[in-house]
Amino acid sequence: RKEVEQDPGPFNVPEGATVAFNCTYSNSASQSFFWYRQDCRKEPKLLMSVYSSGNEDGRFTAQLNRASQYISLLIRDSKLSDSATYLCVVPGSARQLTFGSGTQLTVLP
Amino acid sequence: DAGVTQSPTHLIKTRGQQVTLRCSPKSGHDTVSWYQQALGQGPQFIFQYYEEEERQRGNFPDRFSGHQFPNYSSELNVNALLLGDSALYLCASSQGVTTNEKLFFGSGTQLSVL
Repeated sequence: RKEVEQDPGPFNVPEGATVAFNCTYSNSASQSFFWYRQDCRKEPKLLMSVYSSGNEDGRFTAQLNRASQYISLLIRDSKLSDSATYLCVVPGSARQLTFGSGTQLTVLP
Repeated sequence: DAGVTQSPTHLIKTRGQQVTLRCSPKSGHDTVSWYQQALGQGPQFIFQYYEEEERQRGNFPDRFSGHQFPNYSSELNVNALLLGDSALYLCASSQGVTTNEKLFFGSGTQLSVL
């Protein structure tokens, strides 16, 4: 099993839609999780951190299910500017980040 | 305040050649990590430098080596290039080695091996 697995995508949704991405991880000892956003071949940027059961920031909600070892990212009222690749990230041993392969989102007008 | 800067932005090499990529961390940061991102994949951890030493290494062969200088800047060297080394190489900096999420990435170096 891969350390971090994400929905393969791509997701194509209309403006205003709600979309959710799932991510599973294998290391049950992981305590914190992250969602990064990456625009086309640019650098990843931290979107949200998840430390306990979940985190909400405006239209974005991240949830954590430790028992099932998955995290999710929900985007409400999608905007054209939300089009990007969303990377699920789990810290590895001490100082490295393990990235999922990413889920591509395209919000259509 | 300059963020993480990488050079060059693009590079074309042929198989068997050697390449050196450079990274300057964000002001105030002392730790540099390198990641390789192949097309359609997430970034893969190569190694991390702190206090001029390699502190952690991912699953990459010895052809990948690095260095950190007293001013915290870093280099990534790849010897005997293979076609499969074609990727976006990302440098990330942070303050210390304990806070994973406070990583700031540079815009990367796109390496093409022909």
